[in-house]
Amino acid sequence: SQTIHQWPATLVQPVGSPLSLECTVEGTSNPNLYWYRQAAGRGLQLLFYSVGIGQISSEVPQNLSASRPQDRQFILSSKKLLLSDSGFYLCALGENTEAFFGQGTRLTVV
Amino acid sequence: DQQVKQNSPSLSVQEGRISILNCDYTNSMFDYFLWYKKYPAEGPTFLISISSIKDKNEDGRFTVFLNKSAKHLSLHIVPSQPGDSAVYFCAAKRGATNKLIFGTGTLLAVQP
Repeated sequence: SQTIHQWPATLVQPVGSPLSLECTVEGTSNPNLYWYRQAAGRGLQLLFYSVGIGQISSEVPQNLSASRPQDRQFILSSKKLLLSDSGFYLCALGENTEAFFGQGTRLTVV
Repeated sequence: DQQVKQNSPSLSVQEGRISILNCDYTNSMFDYFLWYKKYPAEGPTFLISISSIKDKNEDGRFTVFLNKSAKHLSLHIVPSQPGDSAVYFCAAKRGATNKLIFGTGTLLAVQP
């Protein structure tokens, strides 16, 4: 079965600093990968999805970017964090009709 | 534009009673619906799903009902247990993509 590794679990970063969150998956090949964010008091917002290496679709305009350098690696980045980037970031793997989620990263921008 | 809405941010139910969580959607092109359960500081886990060609799907204590004409689905949990206390998200997808659009979630508290 597939496994999703996401790190770090928690992160505190100052405003204006860069960000790099990494997600890797095991047990599957050529997966559809997703980045979601859960902001305080809000639902799960789809940020990016990727159907293959180098293929990224952005769902909402924002201060973040995503890259997929390898088949099973999905990276979420920012050059300069804003306070509004705080939230719980989740990497997900799409398989058949479901999405399987990693454990998430709690990002606090201070 | 919130295509999937959960209008109740929270719900409190007594242990053993029925919990009913509701979800409304606006996009008539959605053809598959899912419910996820989420504990704090963890990723959501899949609970139950339903295709748009059905109006009911049951799995143990969990039943999902779909009313396409009303663009409404609901999750019934019976009997409710304290371990069911979590945030429940409904989600919808369209066509071949498995890109899920989530609602805002409902926090269920089951009181012992």
